[in-house]
Amino acid sequence: DIQMTQSPSSLSASVGDRVTITCRASQTISTYLNWYQQKPGKAPKLLIYAASSLQSGVPSRFSGSGSGTDFTLTISSLQPEDFATYYCQQTYNTPFTFGQGTKLDIK
Amino acid sequence: QVQLQESGPGLVKPSQTLSLTCTVSGGSISSKGYYWSWIRQHPGKGLEWIGYIYYSGSTYYKPSLKSRTTMSVDTSKNQFSLRLTSVTAADTAVYYCARLADPRKLDYWGQGTLVTVSS
Repeated sequence: DIQMTQSPSSLSASVGDRVTITCRASQTISTYLNWYQQKPGKAPKLLIYAASSLQSGVPSRFSGSGSGTDFTLTISSLQPEDFATYYCQQTYNTPFTFGQGTKLDIK
Repeated sequence: QVQLQESGPGLVKPSQTLSLTCTVSGGSISSKGYYWSWIRQHPGKGLEWIGYIYYSGSTYYKPSLKSRTTMSVDTSKNQFSLRLTSVTAADTAVYYCARLADPRKLDYWGQGTLVTVSS
């Protein structure tokens, strides 16, 4: 299985901050990388697919980049509703696998 | 707007079978190009993809769960289902159904249902 490693595991930031979360794959996955946001008690929500494509309806402050093994999710200016846990997922090879998550909370 | 809704028992006894159904509304489960998936999340933990089924009935299961997993689809009811046999406490989790769309993104999710394995 392809292992996905996110860093950091947790992050404290303030409203208005620029935040970057990293995801590394154990082998190359081209751009088959998705990012999800999950709030407590809710289902994950797709933010970014194919490494850098913004899902319809997602604010433009979210962006993704990378290819091969290294990827980043950037939130350009944190809003109060962005405090949540973020997961990356590779869909290059089955079984599709997720990172362990990055919990973003308020500083 | 596509919506998915999981249903099934919230409590299952050890060694028995977990059975869940996902009802799709706002779109046809028979639409080409969509793979109907199950994902679970152990309490306080990360996400684990279990597998998917296509409307034709073809399936893919995560190898570590394959021997205990069966997925099926009922196109007449616009539903797909998950069966997990011989459950243990380690199968206690929130189970989500979701749609896998091109290019391999999980774009619609159900709200999730907690299944507890306990006697």
